[in-house]
Amino acid sequence: GQSLEQPSEVTAVEGAIVQINCTYQTSGFYGLSWYQQHDGGAPTFLSYNALDGLEETGRFSSFLSRSDSYGYLLLQELQMKDSASYFCAVPNQAGTALIFGKGTTLSVSS
Amino acid sequence: DTEVTQTPKHLVMGMTNKKSLKCEQHMGHRAMYWYKQKAKKPPELMFVYSYEKLSINESVPSRFSPECPNSSLLNLHLHALQPEDSALYLCASSPSQRTSGRGETQYFGPGTRLLVL
Repeated sequence: GQSLEQPSEVTAVEGAIVQINCTYQTSGFYGLSWYQQHDGGAPTFLSYNALDGLEETGRFSSFLSRSDSYGYLLLQELQMKDSASYFCAVPNQAGTALIFGKGTTLSVSS
Repeated sequence: DTEVTQTPKHLVMGMTNKKSLKCEQHMGHRAMYWYKQKAKKPPELMFVYSYEKLSINESVPSRFSPECPNSSLLNLHLHALQPEDSALYLCASSPSQRTSGRGETQYFGPGTRLLVL
């Protein structure tokens, strides 16, 4: 089956850089996705890595190492509005639906 | 329009009630999903519809009954729920089911927060 591990909580201050790690165990692998969810809100797609390396989108970057079954989400120039839960996700074995990690709660303080 | 809408936003129901949750998207997506999310937990997949046909049922109790009347609409009919079914119910869509696992963005609706008394 598929399983993902990510830290439950991360705290940081405004302007800082934070890295949220995700390790996965899968039967077959297509790629690693990241979603953000604010309290009371819907998950929103942040990024996707199918190949090794770094993908950059503004202040957010995502990295994947398929050989290590590991990825991370890097958030730079943190803002208070970045306080949210962040989920890594991988496809199920059949590649027909997403399996989410347990989520990392990021708290950004001033 | 990259929006998935869900109604109602909040729902309180008794264990003997029958209610329905509604989800709508107009992005032309052919895969639609129901997830259940408890507080501080990740979304858990319940059902997947692909081209208006039920593709995945993650062993969900029969008191939850999904329906896909057309390619834009997805319903979740609720009957004889239990208090432990109280949760946020999220609807999502993606261009197709086959590619959703390959990183196609899933677009989530805002959810219906359900309380079963």
